[in-house]
Amino acid sequence: DGGITQSPKYLFRKEGQNVTLSCEQNLNHDAMYWYRQDPGQGLRLIYYSQIVNDFQKGDIAEGYSVSREKKESFPLTVTSAQKNPTAFYLCASSIATGGIPVTQYFGPGTRLLVL
Amino acid sequence: ILNVEQSPQSLHVQEGDSTNFTCSFPSSNFYALHWYRWETAKSPEALFVMTLNGDEKKKGRISATLNTKEGYSYLYIKGSQPEDSATYLCARTGTASKLTFGTGTRLQVTL
Repeated sequence: DGGITQSPKYLFRKEGQNVTLSCEQNLNHDAMYWYRQDPGQGLRLIYYSQIVNDFQKGDIAEGYSVSREKKESFPLTVTSAQKNPTAFYLCASSIATGGIPVTQYFGPGTRLLVL
Repeated sequence: ILNVEQSPQSLHVQEGDSTNFTCSFPSSNFYALHWYRWETAKSPEALFVMTLNGDEKKKGRISATLNTKEGYSYLYIKGSQPEDSATYLCARTGTASKLTFGTGTRLQVTL
């Protein structure tokens, strides 16, 4: 089955610790995205990548880092610099935008909790 | 309007009722409007993408309209069923790739 997988489903972070959220897709999509959801707010874009080895900051990139070494994978690291990391994180992918609006396909999400 | 706004925030209807929600968005630099359905414990699922003023899309009992000049979109559900219970998100693109989401309308359909 084609789709997007995120792991783990729940993740616990200790103070001062970096944690990495996994996102893998087998849809052969060029573009991938990370969003964060907080209660009462819409999904907010953290980082996105339109092609391998390239990525851009979204609206709330501070305290996060990403890599895009493979087309299928777009891991997100929540660093100790992110002071309020508790949230629900969603990964998405799409075909290359190429100047047309494209549908983004979402994974099931990872809930990050700070101990 | 500076952001994408959705109303109502939540809605509770009975099976068989028809209902509609509103998405308001900045009309300047508009590129596309997306609707997603997000059921509990599942991934958000794309419903529609609309780009042109006056666009209408339909998928089964769900339909959507778009007014880019005044900056709003309506989502209609005809004859609501319990399986329609979900959060409905709208998102606007001002460029081809970046989505700006509203906070969603949470729909609960009871028997």
